[in-house]
Amino acid sequence: DAMVIQNPRYQVTQFGKPVTLSCSQTLNHNVMYWYQQKSSQAPKLLFHYYDKDFNNEADTPDNFQSRRPNTSFCFLDIRSPGLGDAAMYLCATSRELAGGSYNEQFFGPGTRLTVL
Amino acid sequence: AQKVTQAQTEISVVEKEDVTLDCVYETRDTTYYLFWYKQPPSGELVFLIRRNSFDEQNEISGRYSWNFQKSTSSFNFTITASQVVDSAVYFCALSEPGSNYQLIWGAGTKLIIKP
Repeated sequence: DAMVIQNPRYQVTQFGKPVTLSCSQTLNHNVMYWYQQKSSQAPKLLFHYYDKDFNNEADTPDNFQSRRPNTSFCFLDIRSPGLGDAAMYLCATSRELAGGSYNEQFFGPGTRLTVL
Repeated sequence: AQKVTQAQTEISVVEKEDVTLDCVYETRDTTYYLFWYKQPPSGELVFLIRRNSFDEQNEISGRYSWNFQKSTSSFNFTITASQVVDSAVYFCALSEPGSNYQLIWGAGTKLIIKP
């Protein structure tokens, strides 16, 4: 089945120690997203890639970076995790439709990050 | 400003009851899309439905149904004969040209189905 895969499902890191979360997709969608979701809140968009074009949200901290080496893979790098970065990180994909809109976003299972 | 309001923070019902989750949106665009997602305790967001602004037909999928009314800017979601497995947080979201088609999320409604 076509899907969005995130690894690892659970990640524990130390305060200030860089961490990388990964996402892969078999849907061949041209758009990939990274969201941060904290408890009892809606997902918050960090950035997205439209093909190889990177689009950062204005309020995404510089501490968060991303890479998309090819259509299938996307990485989220947190350069110096703080306690406030503990959250669920969700990867999603979508496909551009005619007229510039997008179809629905399909989400991976998420990576729950704990910062000690 | 674009906005999605889910006024019900938490709803608790007994299994087999019908339950409706409300969603009210605001937009200046005439073309837009509305979505519902389900997030069970496992955490994965599951896509339920996408509706474009030109299609006001109500949708039924098994025990799920959606009522889209442009006159009241609402896109409500009803679960008939609820089951314990329906327990989850449900998010309504809006996508439109004005936000570059990024999802504008409601705050979510936590649905608890008691056996």
